[in-house]
Amino acid sequence: KAGVTQTPRYLIKTRGQQVTLSCSPISGHRSVSWYQQTPGQGLQFLFEYFSETQRNKGNFPGRFSGRQFSNSRSEMNVSTLELGDSALYLCASSLATNEKLFFGSGTQLSVL
Amino acid sequence: DQQVKQNSPSLSVQEGRISILNCDYTNSMFDYFLWYKKYPAEGPTFLISISSIKDKNEDGRFTVFLNKSAKHLSLHIVPSQPGDSAVYFCAAPGIYNQGGKLIFGQGTELSVKP
Repeated sequence: KAGVTQTPRYLIKTRGQQVTLSCSPISGHRSVSWYQQTPGQGLQFLFEYFSETQRNKGNFPGRFSGRQFSNSRSEMNVSTLELGDSALYLCASSLATNEKLFFGSGTQLSVL
Repeated sequence: DQQVKQNSPSLSVQEGRISILNCDYTNSMFDYFLWYKKYPAEGPTFLISISSIKDKNEDGRFTVFLNKSAKHLSLHIVPSQPGDSAVYFCAAPGIYNQGGKLIFGQGTELSVKP
């Protein structure tokens, strides 16, 4: 069974630009969660989607948004990028009733 | 409000010795805990979990201990191997959909020296 796939692996953007990250969950997993990892901050929860609906949202500004498609694939978008948005963005999928998360390798975003 | 805390950002041990990684939590309603391991350039992978009704769970070289009265859990790795060098995160399930499906600590970077 293929794991969680995130694309692209690396991105370099400049301040003010926007970016879209993609995540394909494990087949059969309908829940997709997004986390931001920065040094010393651990994994900060961004949002969770299930059956194309946002179920849960973390404490991030409205510049961070996401969506989920009917095939469970998910995208997250960050608009008006700031230097502080430089981080590793991790996507994780899970079965609906199981909290165990399976993570992708992440997208490393650098904002210059 | 950091509900799951790992106060040691790094730990260095010699190969063959015991590694002890610590985690504290504030919410007594958590009903289980998990540990994840993360190598550079990879996503975290599940390592071991423990239910709140237990005080110990063992899986090979890895043992997790839970002290509910102290709201503290620890991960013991015995014996430590160089391949165990990674960042370790403890996590607890988000309650009432707060904080996401899992709430993570800040992580502890373990370095096992040959």
